[in-house]
Amino acid sequence: DAGITQSPRHKVTETGTPVTLRCHQTENHRYMYWYRQDPGHGLRLIHYSYGVKDTDKGEVSDGYSVSRSKTEDFLLTLESATSSQTSVYFCAISDLLGLAGETQYFGPGTRLLVL
Amino acid sequence: DQQVKQNSPSLSVQEGRISILNCDYTNSMFDYFLWYKKYPAEGPTFLISISSIKDKNEDGRFTVFLNKSAKHLSLHIVPSQPGDSAVYFCAARETGTASKLTFGTGTRLQVTL
Repeated sequence: DAGITQSPRHKVTETGTPVTLRCHQTENHRYMYWYRQDPGHGLRLIHYSYGVKDTDKGEVSDGYSVSRSKTEDFLLTLESATSSQTSVYFCAISDLLGLAGETQYFGPGTRLLVL
Repeated sequence: DQQVKQNSPSLSVQEGRISILNCDYTNSMFDYFLWYKKYPAEGPTFLISISSIKDKNEDGRFTVFLNKSAKHLSLHIVPSQPGDSAVYFCAARETGTASKLTFGTGTRLQVTL
């Protein structure tokens, strides 16, 4: 299994509070991604990173920001959590950008409940 | 606008039989397709992939077929085993998009004894 950890694994918070989720990898992969999984929507890309301090928006980026100050860490921040951000969040990593055989490896997920 | 569609939310198959999971896409710029398997409370795990220059890729019990003209791919599992019970996601990568994947909504496969 790829060395990807996510913290926390579970979190309950209140509407309007800031929340930061952390993804940590030990594979030294260049590319990192944040997804959310919701019933009826599959996995949707929030933000991704193609290097230290290089990030870009995904399909559902509104209300989220990210930072990557080190290769191994990719942080996802909800500046002011809303109930619509209740979801399961997955981090993924990849190293074979654009090549056949490319695979994204996923972390175990963080279950977030916003009350 | 769902560019990758898995129209069957669930599928039940007897152990030993073939499981066929289907996926349709609308974006003709997709050049690489992947299947992921997901157990409850775990992250998705990579299963098998196929490039758009091929029409079939096989790995043990798993085979993926790609029909570009129909914009359709399918995953065949033969023979199905109880441990195959999981949610299966189809994903597609668009040419030149920094490796971003677009996922389908998933199909829950249950393999019964």
